[in-house]
Amino acid sequence: DAGVTQSPTHLIKTRGQQVTLRCSPISGHKSVSWYQQVLGQGPQFIFQYYEKEERGRGNFPDRFSARQFPNYSSELNVNALLLGDSALYLCASHGGGSNYEQYFGPGTRLTVT
Amino acid sequence: AQSVSQHNHHVILSEAASLELGCNYSYGGTVNLFWYVQYPGQHLQLLLKYFSGDPLVKGIKGFEAEFIKSKFSFNLRKPSVQWSDTAEYFCAVILPHSSASKIIFGSGTRLSIRP
Repeated sequence: DAGVTQSPTHLIKTRGQQVTLRCSPISGHKSVSWYQQVLGQGPQFIFQYYEKEERGRGNFPDRFSARQFPNYSSELNVNALLLGDSALYLCASHGGGSNYEQYFGPGTRLTVT
Repeated sequence: AQSVSQHNHHVILSEAASLELGCNYSYGGTVNLFWYVQYPGQHLQLLLKYFSGDPLVKGIKGFEAEFIKSKFSFNLRKPSVQWSDTAEYFCAVILPHSSASKIIFGSGTRLSIRP
């Protein structure tokens, strides 16, 4: 079975631009979460979606938005990019329920210049 | 705010040495606890998890962790490390019954093993 996939792998953008990152969860998983991992820090929670509805949001500005599609894939959008948005963006999927185990994708490395 | 503290930012050991990585969390209620590992160039992977029951949990690759409720700690241990254990290790918690399965990660500990 394929794991969580993310695209693109790497991305370079300039300040003020907009970016869209994509994630496909493990087959059968209905929930997707997004995390930002800045160099030297642990991942920080951005969003969780379950069955196309937002279930949680972290402390990120409104420039960050996301959505989940009927096939449970997800997109993370960041507008008006800042230098500080440079990070590894991780997607995690899980099947729901109470086991809380999440499976992470390889991430998208975003560099803002 | 709930937080997870990993006090060792970088640990350097020789092969066959014993390992203990510290993790403390700040939440007074029931938590679910995890250790994740990120090998160079690879995904975050789950090493082990604690939800309830025996406070000594065993994970993959010979790792184990002990939950000590009175100390709000969940330290990771391995009796004898190998060069292949070189990686970044993250302690994490999830607050049960929260509306989202939001994982709160520590800042990570980089483990370097000298061959």
